[in-house]
Amino acid sequence: EAEVAQSPRYKITEKSQAVAFWCDPISGHATLYWYRQILGQGPELLVQFQDESVVDDSQLPKDRFSAERLKGVDSTLKIQPAELGDSAMYLCASSLEGWSSYNSPLHFGNGTRLTVT
Amino acid sequence: GNSVTQMEGPVTLSEEAFLTINCTYTATGYPSLFWYVQYPGEGLQLLLKATKADDKGSNKGFEATYRKETTSFHLEKGSVQVSDSAVYFCALSVQGAQKLVFGQGTRLTINP
Repeated sequence: EAEVAQSPRYKITEKSQAVAFWCDPISGHATLYWYRQILGQGPELLVQFQDESVVDDSQLPKDRFSAERLKGVDSTLKIQPAELGDSAMYLCASSLEGWSSYNSPLHFGNGTRLTVT
Repeated sequence: GNSVTQMEGPVTLSEEAFLTINCTYTATGYPSLFWYVQYPGEGLQLLLKATKADDKGSNKGFEATYRKETTSFHLEKGSVQVSDSAVYFCALSVQGAQKLVFGQGTRLTINP
């Protein structure tokens, strides 16, 4: 079964440094999501793409976080500068149907665990 | 707003015990409801879903019924196995909002 690929699996960085995560969704999936999962909590949506366009980034801390999906396929999430409170699991997900079909299940990658020291 | 509340964990059971994980929701619209499972070191996987009132989602022996009158979507399994040990997330999606809202998760441990 096709999977959502994420890298790196683990990342340790010092505060004030820049860090980037990469996601490759399942082929043909138009919608891509970045979620942040703080330890002991449920995932929270950071940004949602439909093809290359952002459709929801209301919860993205835009002063330090940025996300792009230039060709509507893979995506990069960047944090600069990283803060101690950014330590979390960053999950990427994709879905086959577009954002207009809210019943479409999400397929998640295994995530990138970020530790900021 | 839209939110999901799950029973506090962790939950520890013996193998073959009956499982219930409670989930209640608040939604501004008419939501679809989901249970996702996260095994150690892995991403979330869809376990089951229900899209309208009184629908029952089922998969791998797990079941949950969409109860509009009690705004609930409790997860049940008649006989759990050690391999069911994981974190379970209840979630909802409301048309127009276009995103999943998750509960805080319930960690389940099954002892042999």
